[in-house]
Amino acid sequence: DTEVTQTPKHLVMGMTNKKSLKCEQHMGHRAMYWYKQKAKKPPELMFVYSYEKLSINESVPSRFSPECPNSSLLNLHLHALQPEDSALYLCASSLSGQGRNEQFFGPGTRLTVL
Amino acid sequence: GESVGLHLPTLSVQEGDNSIINCAYSNSASDYFIWYKQESGKGPQFIIDIRSNMDKRQGQRVTVLLNKTVKHLSLQIAATQPGDSAVYFCAEKGNTPLVFGKGTRLSVIA
Repeated sequence: DTEVTQTPKHLVMGMTNKKSLKCEQHMGHRAMYWYKQKAKKPPELMFVYSYEKLSINESVPSRFSPECPNSSLLNLHLHALQPEDSALYLCASSLSGQGRNEQFFGPGTRLTVL
Repeated sequence: GESVGLHLPTLSVQEGDNSIINCAYSNSASDYFIWYKQESGKGPQFIIDIRSNMDKRQGQRVTVLLNKTVKHLSLQIAATQPGDSAVYFCAEKGNTPLVFGKGTRLSVIA
């Protein structure tokens, strides 16, 4: 299995809703990432988990809350989002966080905040 | 802060011709570089990577060239096909997380 899967593919939520994005990989990778991508822009790093511990938080607002239940799963909990948070949310994984190895990306979740 | 950028935001190429996509980086401490392809509605897909101890690496129909002297990276696609139409991102890594460049949209004219 050489892919990263993400659910749901699309999500529409109101500003008062609570929702979660899910990501899964079974490649034995020990680093997992959340990125945010706006239209016509490159992916921007949000969080990095290394060996199931949060190692990088790129000053992301607290309305985004990551969670890594085990080495294969990564969640992003969403609460009280703003319309400007609408974007494609990408999950990625790599063998390790510090090494020079490729990151594999999932297909993303297209989030719309009304 | 330092960032990775691209010289051209769009590139149109005739089918069958070779494509060259360029990338300039500014972090001299970066020692690992990746090219990704992103099709509409999909996540970035790994194309090829190169480490700083190399100046050229070839894959299937793709070649990456690295010039550390001028901090320049390029992706060459041979015999460009309609399926190559996408946005291409270069990304760099040193002791910091992966940083993406702005992206170049490649359009293949049939």
